[in-house]
Amino acid sequence: EDQVTQSPEALRLQEGESSSLNCSYTVSGLRGLFWYRQDPGKGPEFLFTLYSAGEEKEKERLKATLTKKESFLHITAPKPEDSATYLCAVQERTGGFKTIFGAGTRLFVKA
Amino acid sequence: NAGVMQNPRHLVRRRGQEARLRCSPMKGHSHVYWYRQLPEEGLKFMVYLQKENIIDESGMPKERFSAEFPKEGPSILRIQQVVRGDSAAYFCASSSQTAKNTGELFFGEGSRLTVL
Repeated sequence: EDQVTQSPEALRLQEGESSSLNCSYTVSGLRGLFWYRQDPGKGPEFLFTLYSAGEEKEKERLKATLTKKESFLHITAPKPEDSATYLCAVQERTGGFKTIFGAGTRLFVKA
Repeated sequence: NAGVMQNPRHLVRRRGQEARLRCSPMKGHSHVYWYRQLPEEGLKFMVYLQKENIIDESGMPKERFSAEFPKEGPSILRIQQVVRGDSAAYFCASSSQTAKNTGELFFGEGSRLTVL
């Protein structure tokens, strides 16, 4: 049973074309939801932690939001250097400190 | 301040051989996590360790796989009698005591295992 589902699997945007990535999760109690960025051949790089519904975090062109069932990563006016795979992950309150990752959304931004 | 160091970056083994992957966490970090990533798939949790203790190994196969994080030296993920299905990228991550609660994991560059 998938606990973290990301959509779309891949997204192709023109430079400057804003869009959103979705992460839906099914856990009994959420300790935290995390967004990471992964470049090809590299390890994931931490972006945000969200703890409760209604919370928002921003970093440059990225904004992450959280509801009770899903999170969105909004990308405003993306640039080619934003091209990467974006990973969503969750920790359950009763799951110790095991972080469960989704399969990711591969973002391609064309100049 | 050096990040999480993993070696080797690439490892080729024949079926039946052993693979040893090493991970040195960031300075000051005492929590280590191992993940496996197959092509086009997400990261799959394997094991969570603190110094000299395995805290959660629920994601690690019961046979052929073992992990340790000794008092001195790097954490080691050991795969015995490798099979082709073990071919994957293995990532190590570390966290500090406080970051353990924020969920911020610092990842290494990964070790890519190819089994011939």
